Amino acid sequence: DAGVIQSPRHEVTEMGQEVTLRCKPISGHNSLFWYRQTMMRGLELLIYFNNNVPIDDSGMPEDRFSAKMPNASFSTLKIQPSEPRDSAVYFCASSPRLAGELFFGEGSRLTVL
Amino acid sequence: DAKTTQPPSMDCAEGRAANLPCNHSTISGNEYVYWYRQIHSQGPQYIIHGLKNNETNEMASLIITEDRKSSTLILPHATLRDTAVYYCIVRMNRDDKIIFGKGTRLHILP
Repeated sequence: DAGVIQSPRHEVTEMGQEVTLRCKPISGHNSLFWYRQTMMRGLELLIYFNNNVPIDDSGMPEDRFSAKMPNASFSTLKIQPSEPRDSAVYFCASSPRLAGELFFGEGSRLTVL
Repeated sequence: DAKTTQPPSMDCAEGRAANLPCNHSTISGNEYVYWYRQIHSQGPQYIIHGLKNNETNEMASLIITEDRKSSTLILPHATLRDTAVYYCIVRMNRDDKIIFGKGTRLHILP
Protein backbone atom coordinates (compact mmCIF):
# COMPACT_ATOMS: atom_id res chain seq x y z
CA ASP A 1 0.00 0.00 0.00
CA ALA A 2 1.18 3.52 -0.74
CA GLY A 3 2.09 5.52 2.31
CA VAL A 4 1.68 9.24 2.85
CA ILE A 5 2.93 11.03 -0.22
CA GLN A 6 4.44 14.49 -0.02
CA SER A 7 5.62 16.82 -2.75
CA PRO A 8 7.95 18.37 -3.54
CA ARG A 9 10.67 16.49 -1.69
CA HIS A 10 13.00 19.45 -1.97
CA GLU A 11 12.24 23.10 -2.61
CA VAL A 12 14.67 26.00 -2.84
CA THR A 13 13.15 29.43 -3.19
CA GLU A 14 13.93 33.05 -2.58
CA MET A 15 12.61 35.17 0.23
CA GLY A 16 9.22 36.65 -0.57
CA GLN A 17 8.12 33.86 -2.88
CA GLU A 18 5.03 31.76 -2.29
CA VAL A 19 5.61 28.12 -1.36
CA THR A 20 3.00 25.36 -1.58
CA LEU A 21 3.63 21.95 -0.05
CA ARG A 22 1.32 19.07 -0.88
CA CYS A 23 0.24 15.94 0.91
CA LYS A 24 -1.76 12.88 -0.06
CA PRO A 25 -2.76 10.89 3.04
CA ILE A 26 -3.24 7.14 3.19
CA SER A 27 -6.59 6.20 1.70
CA GLY A 28 -9.23 5.75 4.38
CA HIS A 29 -7.41 7.78 7.02
CA ASN A 30 -9.58 10.40 8.71
CA SER A 31 -6.99 12.64 10.35
CA LEU A 32 -4.16 14.62 8.80
CA PHE A 33 -1.34 16.49 10.51
CA TRP A 34 1.33 18.98 9.42
CA TYR A 35 4.60 19.15 11.38
CA ARG A 36 7.73 21.23 10.94
CA GLN A 37 11.19 20.10 12.02
CA THR A 38 14.30 22.21 12.59
CA MET A 39 17.48 21.55 14.52
CA MET A 40 16.67 24.31 16.99
CA ARG A 41 13.01 23.58 17.69
CA GLY A 42 12.66 19.88 16.88
CA LEU A 43 9.30 18.56 15.65
CA GLU A 44 6.50 21.11 15.97
CA LEU A 45 2.83 20.41 15.31
CA LEU A 46 1.46 23.14 13.04
CA ILE A 47 -2.13 22.10 12.35
CA TYR A 48 -4.32 19.04 12.14
CA PHE A 49 -7.55 18.09 10.42
CA ASN A 50 -10.22 15.52 11.17
CA ASN A 51 -12.61 14.56 8.37
CA ASN A 52 -11.21 17.46 6.31
CA VAL A 53 -12.05 20.03 9.00
CA PRO A 54 -9.25 21.95 10.75
CA ILE A 55 -9.35 21.06 14.45
CA ASP A 56 -6.39 22.93 15.90
CA ASP A 57 -4.19 25.46 14.12
CA SER A 58 -2.61 26.93 17.24
CA GLY A 59 0.82 25.78 16.09
CA MET A 60 0.75 27.77 12.87
CA PRO A 61 3.50 30.34 13.44
CA GLU A 62 1.88 33.36 11.84
CA ASP A 63 -0.55 34.56 9.22
CA ARG A 64 1.91 33.85 6.43
CA PHE A 65 1.10 30.17 6.92
CA SER A 66 -2.18 28.60 5.79
CA ALA A 67 -3.36 25.04 5.31
CA LYS A 68 -6.30 23.54 3.50
CA MET A 69 -7.83 20.13 3.05
CA PRO A 70 -10.36 20.39 0.22
CA ASN A 71 -11.05 16.65 0.20
CA ALA A 72 -10.07 13.45 2.00
CA SER A 73 -7.17 12.72 -0.33
CA PHE A 74 -5.34 16.04 -0.51
CA SER A 75 -3.97 18.79 1.69
CA THR A 76 -1.76 21.81 1.12
CA LEU A 77 0.41 23.94 3.36
CA LYS A 78 1.12 27.37 1.93
CA ILE A 79 3.63 29.99 3.00
CA GLN A 80 3.22 33.46 1.54
CA PRO A 81 5.53 35.32 1.62
CA SER A 82 8.31 32.94 2.60
CA GLU A 83 11.22 33.98 4.82
CA PRO A 84 14.63 32.38 5.49
CA ARG A 85 13.50 31.34 9.00
CA ASP A 86 10.86 29.14 7.38
CA SER A 87 13.63 26.83 6.16
CA ALA A 88 12.85 23.41 7.64
CA VAL A 89 11.61 19.93 6.84
CA TYR A 90 7.84 19.84 6.70
CA PHE A 91 6.19 16.51 7.45
CA CYS A 92 2.65 15.43 6.74
CA ALA A 93 1.13 12.52 8.67
CA SER A 94 -2.21 10.74 8.57
CA SER A 95 -4.07 8.58 11.06
CA PRO A 96 -6.72 5.91 10.47
CA ARG A 97 -9.01 7.01 13.27
CA LEU A 98 -9.43 9.60 15.95
CA ALA A 99 -6.36 9.42 18.21
CA GLY A 100 -4.81 6.55 16.28
CA GLU A 101 -1.12 6.13 15.50
CA LEU A 102 0.41 8.48 12.95
CA PHE A 103 1.91 7.49 9.63
CA PHE A 104 4.40 10.04 8.34
CA GLY A 105 5.48 10.96 4.84
CA GLU A 106 9.10 11.40 3.83
CA GLY A 107 8.94 15.16 4.30
CA SER A 108 9.48 18.23 2.15
CA ARG A 109 12.79 20.00 2.73
CA LEU A 110 12.33 23.74 2.23
CA THR A 111 15.20 26.17 1.86
CA VAL A 112 14.40 29.88 1.65
CA LEU A 113 17.33 32.01 0.54
CA ASP B 1 4.98 20.99 26.04
CA ALA B 2 6.25 17.42 26.16
CA LYS B 3 5.28 15.64 29.37
CA THR B 4 8.16 13.18 29.29
CA THR B 5 11.84 13.12 30.20
CA GLN B 6 14.32 11.02 28.26
CA PRO B 7 18.13 10.81 28.26
CA PRO B 8 19.52 12.74 25.30
CA SER B 9 21.61 9.84 24.03
CA MET B 10 22.46 6.18 24.61
CA ASP B 11 24.79 3.58 23.16
CA CYS B 12 24.06 -0.11 22.70
CA ALA B 13 26.15 -2.90 21.23
CA GLU B 14 24.79 -4.61 18.16
CA GLY B 15 22.93 -7.80 19.03
CA ARG B 16 22.27 -6.75 22.60
CA ALA B 17 18.96 -5.54 24.00
CA ALA B 18 18.50 -1.78 23.93
CA ASN B 19 16.55 -0.46 26.91
CA LEU B 20 15.33 3.10 26.50
CA PRO B 21 13.89 4.74 29.63
CA CYS B 22 11.22 7.40 29.83
CA ASN B 23 9.89 9.31 32.85
CA HIS B 24 6.33 10.58 32.80
CA SER B 25 5.67 11.33 36.45
CA THR B 26 2.65 13.58 35.77
CA ILE B 27 0.81 11.07 33.59
CA SER B 28 -2.92 10.90 34.27
CA GLY B 29 -5.09 7.82 34.38
CA ASN B 30 -6.47 8.12 30.85
CA GLU B 31 -3.18 8.94 29.12
CA TYR B 32 -1.36 6.42 26.99
CA VAL B 33 2.39 6.06 26.47
CA TYR B 34 3.43 6.09 22.80
CA TRP B 35 6.83 5.46 21.26
CA TYR B 36 7.99 6.64 17.86
CA ARG B 37 11.40 6.65 16.25
CA GLN B 38 12.98 8.75 13.54
CA ILE B 39 15.75 7.38 11.42
CA HIS B 40 17.95 10.05 9.87
CA SER B 41 16.21 12.07 7.13
CA GLN B 42 13.01 10.05 7.37
CA GLY B 43 9.61 10.78 8.89
CA PRO B 44 8.92 9.44 12.40
CA GLN B 45 7.72 5.84 12.61
CA TYR B 46 5.21 4.47 15.11
CA ILE B 47 6.61 1.67 17.30
CA ILE B 48 4.22 0.77 20.10
CA HIS B 49 1.87 2.17 22.71
CA GLY B 50 0.29 1.09 26.01
CA LEU B 51 -1.85 2.20 28.93
CA LYS B 52 -1.11 -0.01 31.95
CA ASN B 53 -0.08 -3.45 30.83
CA ASN B 54 3.16 -4.40 29.17
CA GLU B 55 2.90 -4.62 25.41
CA THR B 56 4.89 -6.46 22.76
CA ASN B 57 4.83 -6.41 18.98
CA GLU B 58 7.17 -7.40 16.19
CA MET B 59 9.32 -4.33 16.72
CA ALA B 60 9.65 -3.91 20.47
CA SER B 61 8.34 -4.41 23.98
CA LEU B 62 6.97 -1.71 26.25
CA ILE B 63 7.28 -2.09 30.00
CA ILE B 64 5.22 0.34 32.11
CA THR B 65 5.80 0.53 35.86
CA GLU B 66 2.92 -0.21 38.17
CA ASP B 67 2.58 3.43 39.20
CA ARG B 68 2.80 4.38 35.50
CA LYS B 69 5.32 7.13 36.22
CA SER B 70 7.95 5.61 33.96
CA SER B 71 8.34 3.13 31.14
CA THR B 72 11.03 1.35 29.16
CA LEU B 73 11.11 0.55 25.48
CA ILE B 74 13.04 -2.63 24.75
CA LEU B 75 14.52 -3.52 21.38
CA PRO B 76 15.41 -7.16 22.04
CA HIS B 77 18.24 -7.60 19.53
CA ALA B 78 19.47 -4.23 18.35
CA THR B 79 20.86 -3.89 14.83
CA LEU B 80 22.64 -1.03 13.11
CA ARG B 81 19.34 -0.16 11.45
CA ASP B 82 17.90 0.69 14.88
CA THR B 83 20.14 3.74 15.10
CA ALA B 84 17.61 6.57 15.40
CA VAL B 85 16.04 9.16 17.69
CA TYR B 86 13.40 7.55 19.89
CA TYR B 87 10.51 9.64 21.17
CA CYS B 88 8.38 8.81 24.20
CA ILE B 89 5.03 10.62 24.22
CA VAL B 90 2.01 10.63 26.48
CA ARG B 91 -1.42 11.47 25.14
CA MET B 92 -5.04 10.83 25.84
CA ASN B 93 -6.44 8.34 23.41
CA ARG B 94 -9.29 10.64 22.49
CA ASP B 95 -6.95 13.54 21.80
CA ASP B 96 -5.50 13.77 18.33
CA LYS B 97 -2.47 15.82 19.31
CA ILE B 98 0.94 14.19 19.46
CA ILE B 99 3.58 16.54 20.84
CA PHE B 100 7.17 15.42 20.34
CA GLY B 101 9.94 16.21 22.82
CA LYS B 102 13.67 15.96 22.15
CA GLY B 103 13.84 12.16 22.36
CA THR B 104 16.81 9.85 22.90
CA ARG B 105 19.42 9.46 20.20
CA LEU B 106 20.29 5.76 20.18
CA HIS B 107 23.62 4.71 18.70
CA ILE B 108 24.06 1.03 17.89
CA LEU B 109 27.73 0.13 17.98
CA PRO B 110 29.08 -2.61 15.71
